[in-house]
Amino acid sequence: GAVVSQHPSRVICKSGTSVKIECRSLDFQATTMFWYRQFPKQSLMLMATSNEGSKATYEQGVEKDKFLINHASLTLSTLTVTSAHPEDSSFYICSALQGPPNQPQHFGDGTRLSIL
Amino acid sequence: QKEVEQNSGPLSVPEGAIASLNCTYSDRGSQSFFWYRQYSGKSPELIMSIYSNGDKEDGRFTAQLNKASQYVSLLIRDSQPSDSATYLCAVKGDDKIIFGKGTRLHILP
Repeated sequence: GAVVSQHPSRVICKSGTSVKIECRSLDFQATTMFWYRQFPKQSLMLMATSNEGSKATYEQGVEKDKFLINHASLTLSTLTVTSAHPEDSSFYICSALQGPPNQPQHFGDGTRLSIL
Repeated sequence: QKEVEQNSGPLSVPEGAIASLNCTYSDRGSQSFFWYRQYSGKSPELIMSIYSNGDKEDGRFTAQLNKASQYVSLLIRDSQPSDSATYLCAVKGDDKIIFGKGTRLHILP
């Protein structure tokens, strides 16, 4: 159980393109989902917390107009990187919280984004 | 600022030996503790959850929690080359979950 699917796994696109990443909880309902970014050999960095039916909460320094998050249902959250630039190239990972807040987060497989 | 500290490593352990990974945290009110394994280029994978003081065993893995010392550890028995990865300690109190930066573990064949 507790499977989180993330799509696409890899994106390569030109600078200025907007990219949408989907995160789905396949076998449970996730009231809360999280979006992380990880640069090579660095630690996970939380970008935002997404609650179903409400606006996402962004961490300090993360531009909410650039990283659009939508959590329209209990099984789907999307992250859109708008007008992506080479410095946005990174490994983006979503996670979903199964059950009460004291339970662990389960991670998707991640999306490797490369902006040329 | 709530923090989770881990030695970055690398920690090198001979195959078949016990690997011991340690983590300390600053928020005394923390209630939930997790260990994740992350292979290079992959996303984290949950290994263990522990919520109360003492030991919790699952196969070759044992998580140990000492809330008084604000310390949580992960022991891996009979270490295998496939255990080579970065191990992330994660701690949660009333607020969001906080991840440590991870310890790189290298199992020597």
